[in-house]
Amino acid sequence: DGGITQSPKYLFRKEGQNVTLSCEQNLNHDAMYWYRQDPGQGLRLIYYSQIVNDFQKGDIAEGYSVSREKKESFPLTVTSAQKNPTAFYLCASSILFARNTEAFFGQGTRLTVV
Amino acid sequence: DAKTTQPNSMESNEEEPVHLPCNHSTISGTDYIHWYRQLPSQGPEYVIHGLTSNVNNRMASLAIAEDRKSSTLILHRATLRDAAVYYCILMTGNQFYFGTGTSLTVIP
Repeated sequence: DGGITQSPKYLFRKEGQNVTLSCEQNLNHDAMYWYRQDPGQGLRLIYYSQIVNDFQKGDIAEGYSVSREKKESFPLTVTSAQKNPTAFYLCASSILFARNTEAFFGQGTRLTVV
Repeated sequence: DAKTTQPNSMESNEEEPVHLPCNHSTISGTDYIHWYRQLPSQGPEYVIHGLTSNVNNRMASLAIAEDRKSSTLILHRATLRDAAVYYCILMTGNQFYFGTGTSLTVIP
């Protein structure tokens, strides 16, 4: 079955450590996105990518980094520079970086930094 | 940034229709209106989208005002499984902009 997979579902890290969240899709989608969601809030865009080896900052990119070495993979690293990393992280993909298309979301990774 | 405004919460009785409103007064001529819904601790799920004309699919209907400054998502018969947060989003430029959405409670 085609889909978008995030792993792990839950992640715990100590303060000051970098951590990488995985996002893989087998939908052959060009565009991929990372969002952050805090309790009771909507989704805020961290980074997005339209093609391999290219990505753009979203509204809240500070303290995060990404790579897009393969079309199907878009990992997100939460660095120690991110001041409030505890959140629910969602990855999404879509066919084209265009308006008349639906996005597919993964099931999310809940990161807790202690 | 393109913005949408939705009520924070709504309630509906089971098996009754639900009309979820959304205002998007800053919409531009080429922006698509998208709706997604999210269950607790899950990723958002696509519901429907449209540009100018009303749209129907197996999940819902989307009614778009003639001036496109507002739209309404219609669930024809609410079920308990429809309880979720519903997001009205403008697909503008190259990004999806999510607001805080409407939390729908379905009463048995």
